[in-house]
Amino acid sequence: SQELEQSPQSLIVQEGKNLTINCTSSKTLYGLYWYKQKYGEGLIFLMMLQKGGEEKSHEKITAKLDEKKQQSSLHITASQPSHAGIYLCGADIDGGSQGNLIFGKGTKLSVKP
Amino acid sequence: AAGVIQSPRHLIKEKRETATLKCYPIPRHDTVYWYQQGPGQDPQFLISFYEKMQSDKGSIPDRFSAQQFSDYHSELNMSSLELGDSALYFCASSRRNTGELFFGEGSRLTVL
Repeated sequence: SQELEQSPQSLIVQEGKNLTINCTSSKTLYGLYWYKQKYGEGLIFLMMLQKGGEEKSHEKITAKLDEKKQQSSLHITASQPSHAGIYLCGADIDGGSQGNLIFGKGTKLSVKP
Repeated sequence: AAGVIQSPRHLIKEKRETATLKCYPIPRHDTVYWYQQGPGQDPQFLISFYEKMQSDKGSIPDRFSAQQFSDYHSELNMSSLELGDSALYFCASSRRNTGELFFGEGSRLTVL
């Protein structure tokens, strides 16, 4: 079974609309990373969250880690075509191996002009 | 800003051949990680190095080996290549205990 569940698997939104992607684990997330990937290309680092209740924003993207550190959400405000891509959450779930991340299956985002 | 540099970007090999991938971390990053991403799959952790010593090991086949050199660059050596080894291989780097993990553009290996 997948230890890190992402939802939705794919998302099509109209330009200008807001959207949220979720990443859920049954285990404590010691570090939660959000990346964006264009098909077949590198992973672009977006944000990293470590503390329960932590929230970070960069431009129109906001990521939160819940208090229990088992769920994270990525929220995009006023989406643009440049936001299209695959969003991956990665997590350190054993706390002792920094950088040994497990990843979710990704959320494919399409933004219609 | 300098990013993680991987080479080659593309590599085509025959079955049973060997391949070597190189990774140059971001300057002053002391930890390097290797990941494998198969077609349509999420990245899978292979191995990591901190200060030239192996620090963690994931699902790396015995046919693969890696090392980190004194200049912190790392090489992933793959022998007896199989068709299933065709994948994108990512290198990532970080500075220990800062948490932020930056990935390179990946090396695409195709085994024919």
